Amino acid sequence: DQQVKQNSPSLSVQEGRISILNCDYTNSMFDYFLWYKKYPAEGPTFLISISSIKDKNEDGRFTVFLNKSAKHLSLHIVPSQPGDSAVYFCAAKRDNAGNMLTFGGGTRLMVKP
Amino acid sequence: EPEVTQTPSHQVTQMGQEVILRCVPISNHLYFYWYRQILGQKVEFLVSFYNNEISEKSEIFDDQFSVERPDGSNFTLKIRSTKLEDSAMYFCASRKGGSGEKLFFGSGTQLSVL
Repeated sequence: DQQVKQNSPSLSVQEGRISILNCDYTNSMFDYFLWYKKYPAEGPTFLISISSIKDKNEDGRFTVFLNKSAKHLSLHIVPSQPGDSAVYFCAAKRDNAGNMLTFGGGTRLMVKP
Repeated sequence: EPEVTQTPSHQVTQMGQEVILRCVPISNHLYFYWYRQILGQKVEFLVSFYNNEISEKSEIFDDQFSVERPDGSNFTLKIRSTKLEDSAMYFCASRKGGSGEKLFFGSGTQLSVL
């Protein structure tokens, strides 16, 4: 099942710089997208979400961009901090599918001091 | 901040045995979920539960799986006869309801089937 794909398994960024994590999806029925962060031995933690009626949502250092025509979304973290080092999951849902989330494979972000 | 709690954090069992994974969702939440992540693979949806019944389930959630909310606070996942391929990290999650889309996840139970 490759409905949600994160093509970069890992990303390394210098502290203070921008981190850009990408996510692609194939199912045009998806209308709500979420980003979760996961530390080892912990469950996924919600970061930020975006509805398909928007193309941008911002929350502090985190901004999610949605390009519906390209079926692509990205998470920008500015400025990146060492504490941001974690695995980031993109997830998507269809409005008529309750809250069944389809997850991407995750991208491991490493922010170097 | 309120959190979803899961017990045990690790469970080791023999193939063919029954296991029960336990979760205490956030107290005012109405929707409950189980997800799992096999090592090296994606997080996968198993089942959602609302108003004391299953509202949605995936192909993974076959007759060997069941969920229950035995009292006002616990939410359990039972695997009747475990298989080697059931080895995974199992995450419980809950959601408040209404227009809130945010799922809160527990820390997971690592199930190892030998």
